[in-house]
Amino acid sequence: DAGITQSPRHKVTETGTPVTLRCHQTENHRYMYWYRQDPGHGLRLIHYSYGVKDTDKGEVSDGYSVSRSKTEDFLLTLESATSSQTSVYFCAISESNRGTNYGYTFGSGTRLTVV
Amino acid sequence: AQSVTQLDSHVSVSEGTPVLLRCNYSSSYSPSLFWYVQHPNKGLQLLLKYTSAATLVKGINGFEAEFKKSETSFHLTKPSAHMSDAAEYFCVVSDRVKAGTALIFGKGTTLSVSS
Repeated sequence: DAGITQSPRHKVTETGTPVTLRCHQTENHRYMYWYRQDPGHGLRLIHYSYGVKDTDKGEVSDGYSVSRSKTEDFLLTLESATSSQTSVYFCAISESNRGTNYGYTFGSGTRLTVV
Repeated sequence: AQSVTQLDSHVSVSEGTPVLLRCNYSSSYSPSLFWYVQHPNKGLQLLLKYTSAATLVKGINGFEAEFKKSETSFHLTKPSAHMSDAAEYFCVVSDRVKAGTALIFGKGTTLSVSS
């Protein structure tokens, strides 16, 4: 979607190697999220950020770390990739979590394969 | 924590017949609810959202959903299926997390449409 980009779009990596996925936004939104999508599980929240250097864990955070040093960038790192982390990763942004008009915008996804 | 349960993992309909995708939610407070659609190898698209305004919510492409508090349901319907409706559909609830909210996804319902 316009305003949010994920990189890389596809990546194949070996077990045990570190991997970093990047989410970049141009909307100046406060909130950013990382999800993983697996068949039969829908999307599950990994980590989220509510401001620069403010992050917290989601439902499936084990094996993942995140960093947000600038408003526009939210990085997801797999310190030592495992085959169970083969998945499609989606980033999302949200301007406001209050009121009735807030919404979420999703990136196009990163397909990660760990071999 | 909030949660959603999509009652059918797969629904098959014929073109021109009605579509019903069922979703129940669990919430300790008045929830915000969403339906997203994902076409094969594509990103996520918002179909509609309920945020405590009208209980009957109209979305894009002829879809609508009705919020029923007494039944804790938010079923998605469409009067007449089209071939292009074949996709995966996610029922989603907004849950409160630290300093904000995050989307919690159901496991998804795959809709197949036959001619």
